Amino acid sequence: RKEVEQDPGPFNVPEGATVAFNCTYSNSASQSFFWYRQDCRKEPKLLMSVYSSGNEDGRFTAQLNRASQYISLLIRDSKLSDSATYLCVVNRGGGGSNYKLTFGKGTLLTVNP
Amino acid sequence: EPEVTQTPSHQVTQMGQEVILRCVPISNHLYFYWYRQILGQKVEFLVSFYNNEISEKSEIFDDQFSVERPDGSNFTLKIRSTKLEDSAMYFCASSDRGQIGELFFGEGSRLTVL
Repeated sequence: RKEVEQDPGPFNVPEGATVAFNCTYSNSASQSFFWYRQDCRKEPKLLMSVYSSGNEDGRFTAQLNRASQYISLLIRDSKLSDSATYLCVVNRGGGGSNYKLTFGKGTLLTVNP
Repeated sequence: EPEVTQTPSHQVTQMGQEVILRCVPISNHLYFYWYRQILGQKVEFLVSFYNNEISEKSEIFDDQFSVERPDGSNFTLKIRSTKLEDSAMYFCASSDRGQIGELFFGEGSRLTVL
């Protein structure tokens, strides 16, 4: 089983659509969870952290279910500028207090006019 | 807004040559990282560095790789004898408080090995 597995995509949606991304992770000792976005040939950029209680940031809602090792991201009212690859990222925690991020392969989203 | 800067943005080298990729982390950050992304594949952890030593490294980070913080501002990744499969985008990242602070990535250095 892959450490972090995402919907393979790609997703093509019209502007204004709601789109959901799903992700599962295999290491139950994982400590923290994130969604990043990556534009073509650019660096990953943090979109939001994901908490067990669920969290929302404007049009974006993230959920974490530790029992089923499942993470989700919902984008409402999608914009053209949301077009990117969405990366599910899990921190296994390094030695001490370091990050040791494990990335999913990403799901490409294209929002069409 | 403070940012992580990387040079060069693109380097082309012959197989077997040594390559040094440079990074300037955000100035008050203490934790430094290198990740890489082979074209079309996922981002992969290489190494973390704190207090002037390697904290953790992945299986990818073999004896051909080394990191250094030579002058308190630069953070470098050296590949001693490049192989074709080292062709990738290499991302430097830094954080101020380890896993508590946000991790910031640089724009990456694209390495092409011929």
